[in-house]
Amino acid sequence: QKEVEQNSGPLSVPEGAIASLNCTYSDRGSQSFFWYRQYSGKSPELIMFIYSNGDKEDGRFTAQLNKASQYVSLLIRDSQPSDSATYLCAVNRSNDYKLSFGAGTTVTVRA
Amino acid sequence: GAVVSQHPSWVICKSGTSVKIECRSLDFQATTMFWYRQFPKQSLMLMATSNEGSKATYEQGVEKDKFLINHASLTLSTLTVTSAHPEDSSFYICSARSSGRETQYFGPGTRLLVL
Repeated sequence: QKEVEQNSGPLSVPEGAIASLNCTYSDRGSQSFFWYRQYSGKSPELIMFIYSNGDKEDGRFTAQLNKASQYVSLLIRDSQPSDSATYLCAVNRSNDYKLSFGAGTTVTVRA
Repeated sequence: GAVVSQHPSWVICKSGTSVKIECRSLDFQATTMFWYRQFPKQSLMLMATSNEGSKATYEQGVEKDKFLINHASLTLSTLTVTSAHPEDSSFYICSARSSGRETQYFGPGTRLLVL
């Protein structure tokens, strides 16, 4: 079992719709969860992080965490063509600061 | 804040040569820097972790004698790919975190092409 699993996509959504991205992780001791966005040919940029169960909102992005189910998601509201990118879920490893990355979900927002 | 730079952004070299990549934290002190490699259509793979003033720790399968890492100051880490071969061609990305914080901020990456 991979440490961090994401739906590979591609996920295609129309402009203005909600894009929903899912991520599961295997290390029950993980405490920190991150979503990064990576445009083609570029390095990842941080969108948001979440530590506690529940929802965390930042602009058009909402991260949701359920530690009991070992599940973290990212919602992108009012999707824009500029949101077209690969979204990486990252989970910290227990007891150190290293991150395990999922394979990423590619999102395409259709104008 | 939390800006990380890398230099160079592009390297093309002949097989057998060594290449040095610099990673700098511009506006914070980086207690820990991480080096990743990303092949096309794949996710990031952690190569090694470096803490300022101490030896880097390498992930399983990463040759420490081939990928030399130095983290001599709180704002600079270097990765040297020694005797590079075509299979070392990849996108090398560093990230940095400051003391007490878990968030990693990524540099823009360095594309290495070994001919």
